[in-house]
Amino acid sequence: ETGVTQSPTHLIKTRGQQVTLRCSSQSGHNTVSWYQQALGQGPQFIFQYYREEENGRGNFPPRFSGLQFPNYSSELNVNALELDDSALYLCASSFEAANTGELFFGEGSRLTVL
Amino acid sequence: DAKTTQPTSMDCAEGRAANLPCNHSTISGNEYVYWYRQIHSQGPQYIIHGLKNNETNEMASLIITEDRKSSTLILPHATLRDTAVYYCIVITAAGNKLTFGGGTRVLVKP
Repeated sequence: ETGVTQSPTHLIKTRGQQVTLRCSSQSGHNTVSWYQQALGQGPQFIFQYYREEENGRGNFPPRFSGLQFPNYSSELNVNALELDDSALYLCASSFEAANTGELFFGEGSRLTVL
Repeated sequence: DAKTTQPTSMDCAEGRAANLPCNHSTISGNEYVYWYRQIHSQGPQYIIHGLKNNETNEMASLIITEDRKSSTLILPHATLRDTAVYYCIVITAAGNKLTFGGGTRVLVKP
C-alpha cells in the first residue's frame, strides 16, 4: 500500500469521447506524475504537477491535460479519445519535484477505448 | 538520462538468489541507478537506488561496478511473490521523470 489512490479502476469509452482520471497523492506529497502504460510496455511519462503547476511534460499531444488541486490531488484529462489511448494510466506521488527517483505509484486506471 | 539495457527475461528457483544485471554504459557522474518492479496488474514499486556505493535494504542489494557502467540487483532469497517485471532506471538527482525501458521479466519457480 503506497497511499496513492486512483479512480476509477476500470472504464470503457468510445472514440472521440473525453475521460477524466483522478488521483489522490500520499499524505505530505506535493508532486504528482502521470504515466501511460500500454499493454506489454514500460510506463511512459506524460507530465508532472508540482504545487499546482505543470512541471515537465513527455511526448504527448495537447489533448492530454491535467490539473493539480490545493490539496495536491490531481486529474488527468484526455480529449478526443483514440483507440491507441487504451492503456493503464498510473499516477505517482513524491515529496518534491526534483530528486523524484523514488515515486509512490497507485494501482492505475485501466482505460479501454472502443 | 542514460539508456539502460536489461535481459528480456530470466527464471529463478524459489529460495535461491536472483541476480538481475543492468548495463548503463553511458551513465554520467551525477546520475543515480534506480530499480523498480511491477507485479502483474499493480503499479510499479520502488526497490532500491544507488550512486556508486553498494546498497542494501530489506528488499534487495544493489551492486554497482567501480566504473558505474553496470549494476546488479540481488534478491537474496527469491519467493514466488517476487515474480514481476524488474526495471533498471538511470536518473539525475534533479530529474523529474522516470524513463522505463522494457525491463526483465523474472519468473520464480517452485
